[in-house]
Amino acid sequence: GAVVSQHPSRVICKSGTSVKIECRSLDFQATTMFWYRQFPKQSLMLMATSNEGSKATYEQGVEKDKFLINHASLTLSTLTVTSAHPEDSSFYICSARDRQGGGFNSPLHFGNGTRLTVT
Amino acid sequence: GQNIDQPTEMTATEGAIVQINCTYQTSGFNGLFWYQQHAGEAPTFLSYNVLDGLEEKGRFSSFLSRSKGYSYLLLKELQMKDSASYLCAVRGGTYKYIFGTGTRLKVLA
Repeated sequence: GAVVSQHPSRVICKSGTSVKIECRSLDFQATTMFWYRQFPKQSLMLMATSNEGSKATYEQGVEKDKFLINHASLTLSTLTVTSAHPEDSSFYICSARDRQGGGFNSPLHFGNGTRLTVT
Repeated sequence: GQNIDQPTEMTATEGAIVQINCTYQTSGFNGLFWYQQHAGEAPTFLSYNVLDGLEEKGRFSSFLSRSKGYSYLLLKELQMKDSASYLCAVRGGTYKYIFGTGTRLKVLA
């Protein structure tokens, strides 16, 4: 089945630094990937839609200059949290859909998530 | 606006049957998905409905009524490993996936 790999799984960084999270589709091509954020005991909140070869589409309230998204190839999207602050500490999850392999009704497949802690 | 509602928590006994409800109001509808998520892990896909009716997949079944904006996930023969959060997600008119608040299910021995 479709596999999405996300790295790193955990990262601790100091306030003011930047952190890059990678999301790869291992056995399929993903023209679109989605980045979600999840707070403890809450559901997934869509942050942005990453489009291969073009600019990402951000949801209302998400700062595009703070959460930089790059989708340089059909198998890789990156999310960079710039000038991180403690309030950015969260669980970040990427996802993609294998539209070619699974058809129109194929579900989202998720990476294993990245637990970011900003001290 | 877009809204997806689920009960926050449910408790059931091992071997029992539990039904988790989901109601939605979204701009457009292109399918409803159920995911299971264990604490600290990524969600895994359980089932998909786009037409009205019941979809059965082993111990799990999912039902959809588009006219009522309603779905449920039915879990039979509950096992301890079924303790997890269950997320209802709607693929809306723009093909974005909007997730519900999630239901934390606790299975007791």
